[in-house]
Amino acid sequence: GAGVSQTPSNKVTEKGKYVELRCDPISGHTALYWYRQSLGQGPEFLIYFQGTGAADDSGLPNDRFFAVRPEGSVSTLKIQRTERGDSAVYLCASSLGATGELFFGEGSRLTVL
Amino acid sequence: GQQVMQIPQYQHVQEGEDFTTYCNSSTTLSNIQWYKQRPGGHPVFLIQLVKSGEVKKQKRLTFQFGEAKKNSSLHITATQTTDVGTYFCAGRLNYGGSQGNLIFGKGTKLSVKP
Repeated sequence: GAGVSQTPSNKVTEKGKYVELRCDPISGHTALYWYRQSLGQGPEFLIYFQGTGAADDSGLPNDRFFAVRPEGSVSTLKIQRTERGDSAVYLCASSLGATGELFFGEGSRLTVL
Repeated sequence: GQQVMQIPQYQHVQEGEDFTTYCNSSTTLSNIQWYKQRPGGHPVFLIQLVKSGEVKKQKRLTFQFGEAKKNSSLHITATQTTDVGTYFCAGRLNYGGSQGNLIFGKGTKLSVKP
C-alpha cells in the first residue's frame, strides 16, 4: 500500500545503546511528525518537519534525541544512550501540507531493558 | 507548555446510550482535529474543525468547535460496539501566522457494553 511505513515494528535494546527508527511517509507529503505514545496515554509530540527542516523540535525531551529528514522524504529518529524511560511506541505521521489531516504509521515499539 | 486537556479519561456506556468527550486548550487554536484509535492500532483521522463555532456531523457523530476556538466536543448518539476505542482531540497551534505543531489530548477511552 501507499501508507506511512515505519521500521522496525519492534525493537528491544539494552540500556545505554543507540537506536534508529525509520519513517517512510506517504509520497508527496511535505509535513512529517514524530510522536511517542506510552500505554494509556495520548501521542506526545516530539518533532515536526516541513520539508527537510525541523519546523518545531520543542517536544524532543533532551539532547539524546535527534531526528533528520535530509531529502524531505524519509525521516530517522535517533536515540542515544537509551534509558528504560524511553520505552514507548514511536509514531510517525505525515500530511499533505502544514494544516491537513495526519496519516499515522503502525508505529515502532521500543523496549529498553 | 501548551496543553490540550481532555475529559473524561474513561467512559463506559451501555450500547444505545450517548457518549460525549470534551477537549479544552489553554490557548486559542488554529484548528482542531479528532482521531480514533482502536485497541492495538494507530490513530485514524475523523475530522477537522477550523471555524469558530463550527459544527460538523458524520452519521451518529457530532463535532463542535467553541466560539473562542479553545474548546471542542465529540458527541456520539446511540453508541454501538463498533464505536469502542480511544478518541483523541488534537489542537493545532498558531505561531505568528505560520501553522505550528499538533498537540494531542490524553484521550477518552470508550467501552460499550452490548
